[in-house]
Amino acid sequence: RKEVEQDPGPFNVPEGATVAFNCTYSNSASQSFFWYRQDCRKEPKLLMSVYSSGNEDGRFTAQLNRASQYISLLIRDSKLSDSATYLCVVNNRRTTDSWGKLQFGAGTQVVVTP
Amino acid sequence: DVKVTQSSRYLVKRTGEKVFLECVQDMDHENMFWYRQDPGLGLRLIYFSYDVKMKEKGDIPEGYSVSREKKERFSLILESASTNQTSMYLCASSRGQGGYGYTFGSGTRLTVV
Repeated sequence: RKEVEQDPGPFNVPEGATVAFNCTYSNSASQSFFWYRQDCRKEPKLLMSVYSSGNEDGRFTAQLNRASQYISLLIRDSKLSDSATYLCVVNNRRTTDSWGKLQFGAGTQVVVTP
Repeated sequence: DVKVTQSSRYLVKRTGEKVFLECVQDMDHENMFWYRQDPGLGLRLIYFSYDVKMKEKGDIPEGYSVSREKKERFSLILESASTNQTSMYLCASSRGQGGYGYTFGSGTRLTVV
């Protein structure tokens, strides 16, 4: 089983609509959570960290559910420029073999259409 | 603006060649990482380093080695390039225990012919 799993999509979203997707993680000791955005043929860039209480950054809202071991990302009022692949990322508790090491999901593709 | 710089954006090498991919960061980060990214497989960790002269194997270290002689520089070496090492290679750095996320370089698209 993969440590971080995501629906690959694509999620086809009309401009102005809301889209949400989840990511599940297998290690209950995971401590830090992030969403990264990756444009085609570009490097991943940090979109936002995910906090236990949930957090919002403009049109983006991230939630963490530790009991069910998933995080979610919601995009409101989608823009054409939101088209990208969104990577779910978790950091596990410090152990001798995972110190400072992030686990990446394979990504969820979002396509915003006019 | 803080940066992770990879020496080449595109590289074409022949089978059997020794290949060096260089990565330099200017953020004084302790941790540096090399990933490869392939369609449908996502990011896979090759090697990482959390200090100068320290290195740890990631998930797919076979066929690769690394060098970290200075804090700011982390090199990935393909000892004898093979066609199945054709991929996008991404370098990243971070500080602390990963709670701050990574900064990635812009990637090197390596083709082995």
